[in-house]
Amino acid sequence: GEDVEQSLFLSVREGDSSVINCTYTDSSSTYLYWYKQEPGAGLQLLTYIFSNMDMKQDQRLTVLLNKKDKHLSLRIADTQTGDSAIYFCAEVTGGSYIPTFGRGTSLIVHP
Amino acid sequence: DADVTQTPRNRITKTGKRIMLECSQTKGHDRMYWYRQDPGLGLRLIYYSFDVKDINKGEISDGYSVSRQAQAKFSLSLESAIPNQTALYFCATSQTNEKLFFGSGTQLSVL
Repeated sequence: GEDVEQSLFLSVREGDSSVINCTYTDSSSTYLYWYKQEPGAGLQLLTYIFSNMDMKQDQRLTVLLNKKDKHLSLRIADTQTGDSAIYFCAEVTGGSYIPTFGRGTSLIVHP
Repeated sequence: DADVTQTPRNRITKTGKRIMLECSQTKGHDRMYWYRQDPGLGLRLIYYSFDVKDINKGEISDGYSVSRQAQAKFSLSLESAIPNQTALYFCATSQTNEKLFFGSGTQLSVL
């Protein structure tokens, strides 16, 4: 099975909060990342969290990490149309040092 | 100017042709990667290089080869292109903290 799993689509109304979820299987993950891909562009690092943290907040973004359940989430407050993109979860384990990506979640923001 | 530059941005070719995709970076990073992106499949690692003399296969290296000509340059070749290699190809770089910086991608179509 996949190492990193995400649902493929999320649709929200402008102004609402979005929560994008990710599960991973490797308990030795050291870093977990969220990347954003806008149409026609490469991926850009949005935020990341170390495995010894439970939460990280950066302006409208909140990352929550539940190590027991191997679950990572990205909450976007006051979602705007400019947030429409594909969001990728990625993990790096202590053994490989190579990021493994999920399939990406397409976030659609409608008025 | 972009930190990670990929050329060409788009390429259409025929089955059996040899194709080279090029990547150059100005970030001074040691590590470089080639990924392909397919709809619904996310990013899959083709090859990676941790320094000029280091080349490693990723999860889907069959049908591809790479060359690390210098710290700043990492090219991907398809010796004999086939239609299922039609995809969006990304080059990325990183330093030791594993945060990746991506190019804008090359859309390759093999007819």
